[in-house]
Amino acid sequence: EPEVTQTPSHQVTQMGQEVILRCVPISNHLYFYWYRQILGQKVEFLVSFYNNEISEKSEIFDDQFSVERPDGSNFTLKIRSTKLEDSAMYFCASSGPLAADSEQFFGPGTRLTVL
Amino acid sequence: LAKTTQPISMDSYEGQEVNITCSHNNIATNDYITWYQQFPSQGPRFIIQGYKTKVTNEVASLFIPADRKSSTLSLPRVSLSDTAVYYCLVGDRTDDKIIFGKGTRLHILP
Repeated sequence: EPEVTQTPSHQVTQMGQEVILRCVPISNHLYFYWYRQILGQKVEFLVSFYNNEISEKSEIFDDQFSVERPDGSNFTLKIRSTKLEDSAMYFCASSGPLAADSEQFFGPGTRLTVL
Repeated sequence: LAKTTQPISMDSYEGQEVNITCSHNNIATNDYITWYQQFPSQGPRFIIQGYKTKVTNEVASLFIPADRKSSTLSLPRVSLSDTAVYYCLVGDRTDDKIIFGKGTRLHILP
């Protein structure tokens, strides 16, 4: 069964450093998403991406965040200057190929720890 | 997006049928009802989706009354591995995002 993969599984970084979280969505999916979950809290939507551009983003997704699909398979989330409060699990998801294919397939997540 | 209300937590025993009810009084005509499951330290996983009446798959059943103001996720013969958080979501199928609530923390006891 096809699945979304994410690397690394755990990333530890110093405050102020840049991090890039990587995701490989399911190959025929066209809609991509990033979510995060701070320990013990709800899963929060960050951004959705379609046709090589952001289609929607939340208030959390400020100028410190960016997303990119650098090639035909990877989808990345960059945090430019990490803060302590960015520590969370970050989940990538994909859906498609049709907009009405609403089931989102989530990856296993990357645990980001900012020291 | 329609607001949903579901119990914060539930306990049950192995082998029992578990029913988790979700209220969504403001559901819109175009909205579908979707349930996701999340195990600890894992990403959410789609369980089932429906619009009205009853939907069944290999994992669960979803019962939706005619007024669609509530829905019930039914898990037959649960096992310890069904211990997870279950999220009820209501929205248009073309919505660009999922807005998760706190979900129902289901704890299965031996």
